[in-house]
Parts: sequence; C-alpha cells; structure tokens
Amino acid sequence: QQQVKQSPQSLIVQKGGISIINCAYENTAFDYFPWYQQFPGKGPALLIAIRPDVSEKKEGRFTISFNKSAKQFSLHIMDSQPGDSATYFCAASGDKIIFGKGTRLHILP
Amino acid sequence: EAEVAQSPRYKITEKSQAVAFWCDPISGHATLYWYRQILGQGPELLVQFQDESVVDDSQLPKDRFSAERLKGVDSTLKIQPAELGDSAMYLCASSTRQGLGEQYFGPGTRLTVT
Repeated sequence: QQQVKQSPQSLIVQKGGISIINCAYENTAFDYFPWYQQFPGKGPALLIAIRPDVSEKKEGRFTISFNKSAKQFSLHIMDSQPGDSATYFCAASGDKIIFGKGTRLHILP
Repeated sequence: EAEVAQSPRYKITEKSQAVAFWCDPISGHATLYWYRQILGQGPELLVQFQDESVVDDSQLPKDRFSAERLKGVDSTLKIQPAELGDSAMYLCASSTRQGLGEQYFGPGTRLTVT
C-alpha cells in the first residue's frame, strides 16, 4: 500500500517530441505528488508538484496530469530537449514520502 | 541560493571499516532526511529527523548504521562496520516542517566499499 509504481523504466524521445512518464499509487492518504529530476552525479531536484484537489498543473514545458479516482498521475514534457535527458522520479507524500523507481529519459538530438 | 551541503563527495573504504558522512541542511529547515540510492533506483529513506529528534528510522539497519543531529542543525550518518552491499549514493535532504514533499537534496556522497 506504500508503493509508488513508475513506468516506463527508460524512454527515448526525439528532440521536440512529448515525453510522458506515468505513476500509480495505492495509499489514498497521500496528499502531495512531486516530481524530481536527477542528473548523473547530482542529487534529485524538485521539478514540479501537484495536490489532489487539481487535475492538472503546468509550469513551462512541464505538466502534471492527476487522476484521483484512478490513483494515477503523469508527467508530460513538451518540446523535449537534449538538456532534459535525466532520470525522473515521481513521489507521493503524506506523513512520509515514497519515491518511484525512476525513469531514465534520453532525448535524441 | 541556499543549498544542502554534504561531505565528503566520494569515499572509498574497505569492508569492516567505519565511515561517516556529514550533512548541513538549508538554514531554517527543521526536517532532515538521509537516503540511500542504489544505482538505477529511487532514493530509499534511512532516517528522518524533526529538529534533533528521530521521527522515522524504520528502514535504518541499526546493527551497523547510526545517525545523529545533536543540535538540530547538521547531521552525521555513520556505518560501522561497512559491508560490500553498502556501496551506494548517500543523499541528505531537508525541508521545512510543513513541506515534507518539497525536499531539497544535497549532492550526495558516493560510497564504494572494497
């Protein structure tokens, strides 16, 4: 019940395309859903986050879509750029935070 | 911009030796976390402090790992004795008391046990 399932494990997208990463959770007590971006050799950095009272949040090229009834949320990266190549982690938090296993994204130049 | 500081950045040690990592969180952040991240996986919480008190150490292997945050500011994570399976990235993060999901991570310490 504490798991956050993330897919796909790896993703290759052409420059300018849309990258989509999906996550699912089980515990309805989670009330905050952040996405973190991690470059090799660096710690994760908070990218964008959403609360379950909204269905979508957009910041620049990054959008979170949230489906409360399905207990699923996804990250969309529009106009993907080579600089977006990194590992992305979804997470769900309530009284504790649980991370997904990560998606390694590679944007082809 | 305020950052979480960690040292050392890299550590190579032989198995059965002791090793220690240090973390200085963002000023004013009451909550401090230590994570272990194995290559290709997400961060796994080892211990969470609220000020100087441990609020969650359920995943900390207490037979060999210890953590302290004596004055509620910086923190030390120790492993004694180190085992080959401890090779990983050790990440420290901090957040405000209310901002559990908005964590700020340090650069991590890459530990290699030989």
